[in-house]
Amino acid sequence: GENVEQHPSTLSVQEGDSAVIKCTYSDSASNYFPWYKQELGKRPQLIIDIRSNVGEKKDQRIAVTLNKTAKHFSLHITETQPEDSAVYFCAASGYGQNFVFGPGTRLSVLP
Amino acid sequence: EPEVTQTPSHQVTQMGQEVILRCVPISNHLYFYWYRQILGQKVEFLVSFYNNEISEKSEIFDDQFSVERPDGSNFTLKIRSTKLEDSAMYFCASSERDRHYEQYFGPGTRLTVT
Repeated sequence: GENVEQHPSTLSVQEGDSAVIKCTYSDSASNYFPWYKQELGKRPQLIIDIRSNVGEKKDQRIAVTLNKTAKHFSLHITETQPEDSAVYFCAASGYGQNFVFGPGTRLSVLP
Repeated sequence: EPEVTQTPSHQVTQMGQEVILRCVPISNHLYFYWYRQILGQKVEFLVSFYNNEISEKSEIFDDQFSVERPDGSNFTLKIRSTKLEDSAMYFCASSERDRHYEQYFGPGTRLTVT
């Protein structure tokens, strides 16, 4: 079955700097890769996603890149703000079901 | 903006008791899911449900678990005989028919088994 790894497990950046979180997956049949942000005690919120027919997608300060050959995808946050502090989970799935989540990255944006 | 809702927010039960966790998915969504998250760990898939039947389930979703859509709005997860290791946050999620990749999560029910 699918296995998703995520690095780093914790990440601290200064406000205004960029943050990059990387995930790898094992199942070449996976074709959908969402990213969720989870603030302490709250629900995971979908922030961006990418499908296998696209190499990059951007939404304001957030971007995701996908390398299907290498089976890895990354989340890029530019101009980080304190409210970006949260745990970020990547996930991989085929046909939109049975998401397999990565272990999460705790991002701290220091003022 | 419509959201998935879940009740109760926190459920405390004794080992061996049955619990029912309730979810109201977004109204025009047709795919429903349950996930669990043990404290400090990643979110784990339990089951997906479409057209009044389970479409996929994980190895975690054993015979003590069941799901039901008893009416047009609710989606429930039943745990028949709770164990200490069932203590976790349980999230419901839903997605639209044609955009079933994008899953929207509810606020979760924290289940504590004592």
